[in-house]
Amino acid sequence: DVKVTQSSRYLVKRTGEKVFLECVQDMDHENMFWYRQDPGLGLRLIYFSYDVKMKEKGDIPEGYSVSREKKERFSLILESASTNQTSMYLCASTRLRDRGWGYTFGSGTRLTVV
Amino acid sequence: KQEVTQIPAALSVPEGENLVLNCSFTDSAIYNLQWFRQDPGKGLTSLLLIQSSQREQTSGRLNASLDKSSGRSTLYIAASQPGDSATYLCASIRWAAGNKLTFGGGTRVLVKP
Repeated sequence: DVKVTQSSRYLVKRTGEKVFLECVQDMDHENMFWYRQDPGLGLRLIYFSYDVKMKEKGDIPEGYSVSREKKERFSLILESASTNQTSMYLCASTRLRDRGWGYTFGSGTRLTVV
Repeated sequence: KQEVTQIPAALSVPEGENLVLNCSFTDSAIYNLQWFRQDPGKGLTSLLLIQSSQREQTSGRLNASLDKSSGRSTLYIAASQPGDSATYLCASIRWAAGNKLTFGGGTRVLVKP
């Protein structure tokens, strides 16, 4: 069974901490994505990556960075966590060109910044 | 810019009734359309993927249709069960800019026993 695995289900961090959210996929997908989901705002794209060491800003990149050193792993970094970054974070992956594949999502990381 | 709308935002039905969930999108140049289910506090589970050349997809009690000309997709769930209670999201996928998803706001479904 294909999988996108997010390393933590729940995280509690302090304001100002540097936070790493990890995502690993085992499907050899080229594309990987980070979304955040908030009540009333839906899912919003933070960053995405087409390939190793490639990254593109999404709709709300401020306060975040990403790293993709290996094809299977895409990390989201909160450089200095703030309370407004308390949210559900979802990682996803998909093939670059294959029409028969959709997106596969991870189970999410609920981050609370106190 | 693609916009995806799901109406209604919430739906409550008695067990056994058929569910009809609607999704509309403004740009018909979509690549694929995907339906997801989300349980509270959980990630998204893919239900059905309809490619732009297809008109419908079926999986068990689920059937999704796609009409690109009218900008609509419909998810049908036959003989609903309490376990079908969840939020259902549709998302369009466009080829431009790396197959990014555009999500609708979701329909929250409650199936009452």
